[in-house]
Amino acid sequence: QVQLVESGGGVVQPGRSLRLSCAASGFTFSSYGMHWVRRAPGKGLEWVAVIWYDGSNKYYADSVKGRFTISRDNSKNTLFLQMNSLRAEDTAVYYCARDRDRLDNWGQGTLVTVSS
Amino acid sequence: QSVLTQPPSASGTPGQRVTISCSGSSSNIGSNTVNWYQQLPETAPKLLIYSNNQRPSGVPDRFSGSKSGTSASLAISGLQSEDEADYFCAAWDDSLNGHWVFGGGTKLTVL
Repeated sequence: QVQLVESGGGVVQPGRSLRLSCAASGFTFSSYGMHWVRRAPGKGLEWVAVIWYDGSNKYYADSVKGRFTISRDNSKNTLFLQMNSLRAEDTAVYYCARDRDRLDNWGQGTLVTVSS
Repeated sequence: QSVLTQPPSASGTPGQRVTISCSGSSSNIGSNTVNWYQQLPETAPKLLIYSNNQRPSGVPDRFSGSKSGTSASLAISGLQSEDEADYFCAAWDDSLNGHWVFGGGTKLTVL
């Protein structure tokens, strides 16, 4: 069955960096676009970034553009999110999700807390 | 400030039917299909409805979706206590380079 497992979250000071990973299994990872979506405490879901199946295109929400970088390693079935210049408003649970014309499978999420 | 607009809360008693609305615009719901997600506390969002009214396998037929113009709705009939959760609508938005947009979520309480 499809499984997505995020890791790499934690507590980080404002201005610092963090790298999230999403390990995929149970499907042909290299055939699907992948997304990062986050949910801040007490708020709704917010789309963060997408990367095409082959890594050829990447797009970002305005709120993270220039600070976050999405990437993937299809040989290791892994999705990444490099987060730089973190801000308090980036505090959220970060989910990776598979795109099949809908976000049909999500990981359990990893919590990122940006605080001094 | 979510792109799609949902009521923040809804409630019903066991056995009742409840509906949750989702309003968008021509660049998202008006030109693309709508998906609905259920999120229980401390769990990942689960796809409940896709392509406006399709249920993934395993989702009970108590859950149904519809869309008209730039609005959509989720209906839950025969409400059960385990339906208490947050519900989000989502649609692809054609603006910029294209991206997913979500509603702010509706907290469903089973009284």
